[in-house]
Parts: sequence; C-alpha cells; structure tokens
Amino acid sequence: NAGVTQTPKFQVLKTGQSMTLQCAQDMNHEYMSWYRQDPGMGLRLIHYSVGAGITDQGEVPNGYNVSRSTTEDFPLRLLSAAPSQTSVYFCASTQNGAHEQYFGPGTRLTVT
Amino acid sequence: GENVEQHPSTLSVQEGDSAVIKCTYSDSASNYFPWYKQELGKRPQLIIDIRSNVGEKKDQRIAVTLNKTAKHFSLHITETQPEDSAVYFCAAGGGSYIPTFGRGTSLIVHP
Repeated sequence: NAGVTQTPKFQVLKTGQSMTLQCAQDMNHEYMSWYRQDPGMGLRLIHYSVGAGITDQGEVPNGYNVSRSTTEDFPLRLLSAAPSQTSVYFCASTQNGAHEQYFGPGTRLTVT
Repeated sequence: GENVEQHPSTLSVQEGDSAVIKCTYSDSASNYFPWYKQELGKRPQLIIDIRSNVGEKKDQRIAVTLNKTAKHFSLHITETQPEDSAVYFCAAGGGSYIPTFGRGTSLIVHP
C-alpha cells in the first residue's frame, strides 16, 4: 500500500491564483481530513469528510473548498490564494471504527 | 468544540534525562487521547494513545497518563536519546474520529 499520498510536494503561487492540492489514499478509509501547519499553531483542521459525498468544515475553512466524489480522493482547492495561506498542508485518513490518523507527506505552499 | 492546551512549547533536556509534556482538554465527552511525533520535515506519526477507560499506558521508554476528572493527560519519555528530538502533538477526540490537536512541543535532546 502507498498509504496517503499528496501532490505536489512544493508549490509557489502568486496572490489571486487558484490551485488544487491532491490527496489520495489506498487503504479504503472512510474518514479524510485536511490540516494546515503553521509555526507555533499546531495542526489546524480545514475541512474533513466522513465518506464519499459528505464534507464538513473544520476550524479554519475560509478560502478553501473540498469535495469527496470517491473514497480514495479528497482534493483541497484554494480559490484565490492569499499570503496568509502560506503553510504546510497535510492530508490524513482514518479507518471507520478506528482513531489513528495516517498523514500524507505534506505540501509546502508559498503564496507571494 | 474541543480545546486542547499543550505545554511547554519548547523543552530542552540532556540525553538520559526524562521529559514530560502536559495537555489539558475541555470537552468531557472526549475519550481518545493520541500522541503524535513529527520529525523535522516529516509527517506526524502516532506513537502512543490512551482511551478514557485506562489511566496509564506504557510502551518501552514512553508512557501516557490520563486524569479524566481533571481533564489532563501527559506524555513521559524516560532515558531520552537524541533521536527523540522532534515536535510532539497531543490530541483529544471522541465519536467524530477527527481529533483536536494541541499546538505542539518541540523537544530537543542534547547529546
């Protein structure tokens, strides 16, 4: 199993550009989530999904959209990038009935 | 919603010393308390967890304790080694399977 994969590893955007961060898992996990990690702020939940077709907002959802059309994929869309969205983004998945979160390798995003 | 406070933000110890990281949580319904370790440039990985029906759990040099009455839990690392240097996150969760994380503790173990 590849586990949780994320692409790209690094990305530089200009203010106002849009892009999609990709996340996929091959463990048939029901739960998937997106976090951003900023120095001294820990892991803050952006959006999460409890199954295909079901998504909900986390702690810091503004400026981001998600969709979950399949169990495997959970892309995160930045609609109009802002410098405040410069961060490291982690995707994670959890098996239904369990609690351990499996994280992807992360995407480091810089918005100039 | 759940609020998790974690202290200290930075912890510096000498190799062989013990290290203790403490967390408090606010939601009395939380019943799952994991700890994640994140090495520099890597992803967070689960190192140990404890559930609300257990007061203490050990795994070699690491142990977690939980006090549900006081709503706090702690990570204890004994005989620290340089490879223990990392950022450690506590978290609290329950039925939603999506835990709330603390802000992290940067542990530095000096050889």
